[in-house]
Amino acid sequence: AQSVTQLGSHVSVSEGALVLLRCNYSSSVPPYLFWYVQYPNQGLQLLLKYTSAATLVKGINGFEAEFKKSETSFHLTKPSAHMSDAAEYFCAVTFAGGTSYGKLTFGQGTILTVHP
Amino acid sequence: DAGVTQSPTHLIKTRGQQVTLRCSPKSGHDTVSWYQQALGQGPQFIFQYYEEEERQRGNFPDRFSGHQFPNYSSELNVNALLLGDSALYLCASSQQETQYFGPGTRLLVL
Repeated sequence: AQSVTQLGSHVSVSEGALVLLRCNYSSSVPPYLFWYVQYPNQGLQLLLKYTSAATLVKGINGFEAEFKKSETSFHLTKPSAHMSDAAEYFCAVTFAGGTSYGKLTFGQGTILTVHP
Repeated sequence: DAGVTQSPTHLIKTRGQQVTLRCSPKSGHDTVSWYQQALGQGPQFIFQYYEEEERQRGNFPDRFSGHQFPNYSSELNVNALLLGDSALYLCASSQQETQYFGPGTRLLVL
């Protein structure tokens, strides 16, 4: 069964500091991986996705993530945090086929706090 | 181009009642998925509709049912509401593997 683990339910950084949000997945077949951001009382906004093309993917708002098959990881980074990045971030996985096709499995989320 | 839209935005029901939530997908998307997000949790997959049929279903009881219309819009129905059904219900539309989410409907069951 597919699963996603986000290490750290809360991450706090200073404005201008590096943001690193960790995501590990388990899968027996090649995955599709996603990062979504959720602001308070809103839906999920797609930040970026990995769908078996380039392993380093760039998304919106300066975020990027690297797919590392050997480590089963898809960590999200941003070189310099901005106050507007404060939100909850979710990593999610799905697959191209099989019984889990079309079903997104989410991690528990990481709340990012940015201090001035 | 309008994104995914959901209605209503908020809803208050009492235990035992029934509720219907609605979703309109992005233009060009033919697949609609529904998720339940309890407070402080990640979204949980309820089911997915494609070509007016339920294609995938998560671990939710039969009280949760859905429908997709010929214009690809969708409804989520929940019968015999329980207090534990209080959550944010998210609809997502897609054409291939990437799902785009609506703003959600927040349901409170009293």
